[in-house]
Amino acid sequence: RKEVEQDPGPFNVPEGATVAFNCTYSNSASQSFFWYRQDCRKEPKLLMSVYSSGNEDGRFTAQLNRASQYISLLIRDSKLSDSATYLCVVNGYSSASKIIFGSGTRLSIRP
Amino acid sequence: GAGVSQSPSNKVTEKGKDVELRCDPISGHTALYWYRQSLGQGLEFLIYFQGNSAPDKSGLPSDRFSAERTGGSVSTLTIQRTQQEDSAVYLCASSLAGSWTSGGTEQFFGPGTRLTVL
Repeated sequence: RKEVEQDPGPFNVPEGATVAFNCTYSNSASQSFFWYRQDCRKEPKLLMSVYSSGNEDGRFTAQLNRASQYISLLIRDSKLSDSATYLCVVNGYSSASKIIFGSGTRLSIRP
Repeated sequence: GAGVSQSPSNKVTEKGKDVELRCDPISGHTALYWYRQSLGQGLEFLIYFQGNSAPDKSGLPSDRFSAERTGGSVSTLTIQRTQQEDSAVYLCASSLAGSWTSGGTEQFFGPGTRLTVL
């Protein structure tokens, strides 16, 4: 089993739709969680951190479920510009070598 | 301000040759990371530098891979006797600090070097 698993997609949804992805992790001691966004042939960029109580940034909502060991990302009122690959990032320890990137979920928003 | 820069942007080499990839982190960032990303895959951690501490080399896939960081700034990743399976995008990232406490510190990525081994 991979340490961090994501549904690779692609998710193909119409503009304005709400879409959600999950990311599961295997290490129950994981401490920090993030969502990064990666556009085609570009470098990843931080989208948002994920806090225990859940957090929202505009149309984006991130949640953490420690009991079931997954994090989620919800995008409301999706825009064409949201088309990208979303990478789940999990850190098991306070060590860079334990930072695990998921393979990403590809999202495509159609007009 | 200037972001993380990497050179070259593309490198095509023949199997068995050595290559050097360069990373210039954001000024003032003490932490520097190298990752490898194969087509359609996630990022694979390679090596991590934090200030003057000994680097964490636990992600290097073989002894053909090595990296240096001179003066706490520029880093060079060297791959000796390249193999076709080394073909990938090599990404460098830097952050203000390497401590991933709750909330973490954001990693800023360079544009990557696309390595093709023929």
